[in-house]
Amino acid sequence: NAGVTQTPKFQVLKTGQSMTLQCAQDMNHEYMSWYRQDPGMGLRLIHYSVGAGITDQGEVPNGYNVSRSTTEDFPLRLLSAAPSQTSVYFCATSVGDGYTFGSGTRLTVV
Amino acid sequence: KQEVTQIPAALSVPEGENLVLNCSFTDSAIYNLQWFRQDPGKGLTSLLLIQSSQREQTSGRLNASLDKSSGRSTLYIAASQPGDSATYLCAVRTQSLDMRFGAGTRLTVKP
Repeated sequence: NAGVTQTPKFQVLKTGQSMTLQCAQDMNHEYMSWYRQDPGMGLRLIHYSVGAGITDQGEVPNGYNVSRSTTEDFPLRLLSAAPSQTSVYFCATSVGDGYTFGSGTRLTVV
Repeated sequence: KQEVTQIPAALSVPEGENLVLNCSFTDSAIYNLQWFRQDPGKGLTSLLLIQSSQREQTSGRLNASLDKSSGRSTLYIAASQPGDSATYLCAVRTQSLDMRFGAGTRLTVKP
């Protein structure tokens, strides 16, 4: 049982490049979300999904797109990376009250 | 908009001390409150979850309290150990079910 799997663990992008951060879960949780963590600011919600085909914006959605075609996968897309998107990204799933977090993707945009 | 604040930002204590970490939130209409632990370069591990109707939860040497009316929660760690060194995050789950995090308290327990 892998829980929540995020790939890649590390990534360096050049400004303007695009990429997709992958998040996969094997717990059949309906609720999935993406957070970014910056020094001194805690985690901030980017986008979330309450089930396949349904997504919504969180606190800081600008510059990011998501889709949810299956229960298992919730990819986060950066269409044109900017240095301000340098951060650690966490994917989380939830059922009931509990949250399960992935181990994170450390992204640097140069 | 729900805002979560954690004080202090960093704390250093000698081994064996009892300590309290503080969390405050601006909107008392919460679904629940959760304390997480984060080790450097790692993800988050849930420690304690308190429902909005509860006053406290305990797990081993950890005790978390919740005072919804005043918008405060505390995490009490008894007999601290070097292995407790980590960043502790408080998160409030709002009525719309998304979570809002504090910036965390970085705890160092010195042997």
